[in-house]
Amino acid sequence: AQSVTQLDSQVPVFEEAPVELRCNYSSSVSVYLFWYVQYPNQGLQLLLKYLSGSTLVKGINGFEAEFNKSQTSFHLRKPSVHISDTAEYFCAVSVLHNQGGKLIFGQGTELSVKP
Amino acid sequence: GAGVSQSPRYKVAKRGQDVALRCDPISGHVSLFWYQQALGQGPEFLTYFQNEAQLDKSGLPSDRFFAERPEGSVSTLKIQRTQQEDSAVYLCASSLAQGRTEAFFGQGTRLTVV
Repeated sequence: AQSVTQLDSQVPVFEEAPVELRCNYSSSVSVYLFWYVQYPNQGLQLLLKYLSGSTLVKGINGFEAEFNKSQTSFHLRKPSVHISDTAEYFCAVSVLHNQGGKLIFGQGTELSVKP
Repeated sequence: GAGVSQSPRYKVAKRGQDVALRCDPISGHVSLFWYQQALGQGPEFLTYFQNEAQLDKSGLPSDRFFAERPEGSVSTLKIQRTQQEDSAVYLCASSLAQGRTEAFFGQGTRLTVV
């Protein structure tokens, strides 16, 4: 079975400061890794994904994440945040094969950007 | 439309009432997923369709939950005899194929059972 742990439930940060949202996963098989963002009363929007290849993945809105297999981590980073980045962020894994690619999500991290 | 559409956006049901939640996936998307998101939690998998075939329903919490996708397009999630613990946002997602391709999410249906 797979599981995802987001180590911080809330991350307050000032505008233009850097931010890192932490994600660790557990799986006995290879997984694909995702970060989604959810704005209030909205569905989830894909920020970025790691399928294979380069361990540094760049996504939308200036976000990037690094896959670290030895530490089973996939932390999300942004060098300078904006007020508009305030939202809930979810890390997720999927296993292709016979599970159809269903996503296993972490509990979420609420990013609050203050002026 | 261009995205995944869910209806209704909000639903208030009295305990014991049956409800039906609709999902219109992106045209041509083979895979369709339902997730349940309780307040302050991450989404949890309910069920998965590949075209009209329901290949995984391991996440359905009880036999009161039933999902169908009879023509391989629109899907309906039905909850019978709703209970207060069913209150959540129900998210639908579709993808062109399984696994490697991006899953696109609808805005969800917020169900409140009173």
